[in-house]
Amino acid sequence: GNSVTQMEGPVTLSEEAFLTINCTYTATGYPSLFWYVQYPGEGLQLLLKATKADDKGSNKGFEATYRKETTSFHLEKGSVQVSDSAVYFCALSEFNQGGKLIFGQGTELSVKP
Amino acid sequence: SQTIHQWPATLVQPVGSPLSLECTVEGTSNPNLYWYRQAAGRGLQLLFYSVGIGQISSEVPQNLSASRPQDRQFILSSKKLLLSDSGFYLCAWVQGARGYTFGSGTRLTVV
Repeated sequence: GNSVTQMEGPVTLSEEAFLTINCTYTATGYPSLFWYVQYPGEGLQLLLKATKADDKGSNKGFEATYRKETTSFHLEKGSVQVSDSAVYFCALSEFNQGGKLIFGQGTELSVKP
Repeated sequence: SQTIHQWPATLVQPVGSPLSLECTVEGTSNPNLYWYRQAAGRGLQLLFYSVGIGQISSEVPQNLSASRPQDRQFILSSKKLLLSDSGFYLCAWVQGARGYTFGSGTRLTVV
């Protein structure tokens, strides 16, 4: 079945450091890929998405490219801020399977000033 | 506008007590609706989804059940809570190509 695997956390970085959170997936068809963010005490928010191979999703300085050949969707940001501290979830969805979102286990990011 | 409401925000319940969490959406019709659970220190697990009134698909065997009595209402229930039911419960719906919208969540602590 479909699955998503993220790098383990927690990840601790200094402000302005470069961020990469790895995400790989297994899917039977052609999924859409998402990154969601959960700030402390809040629900999930969509950060970015990509719906087909080679698409690049971007938002708030974060980027991720849909790589079909490596089945990956790594999240990157060139310079993190303290306000980026949150839990990040990679997810996929195949709308021909009821539109279910399959999530990775989440990666906690802590950015220190 | 399209919104999703979920309540209560927090809940503390004793083991063996019943549970009812409600989720409603506004501004759309016939949405696909989902219940997810996030256990402490773990990722999000899909519990149930529904593509229409009275239609419920269960993803994992468990102590919980779901119902969809109306088009825009999705209810998560349990007859007798277990300690392992503690977690953060999120309702979500799909807005077609715009993707998913999540409710604000219910933090359930079973004591």
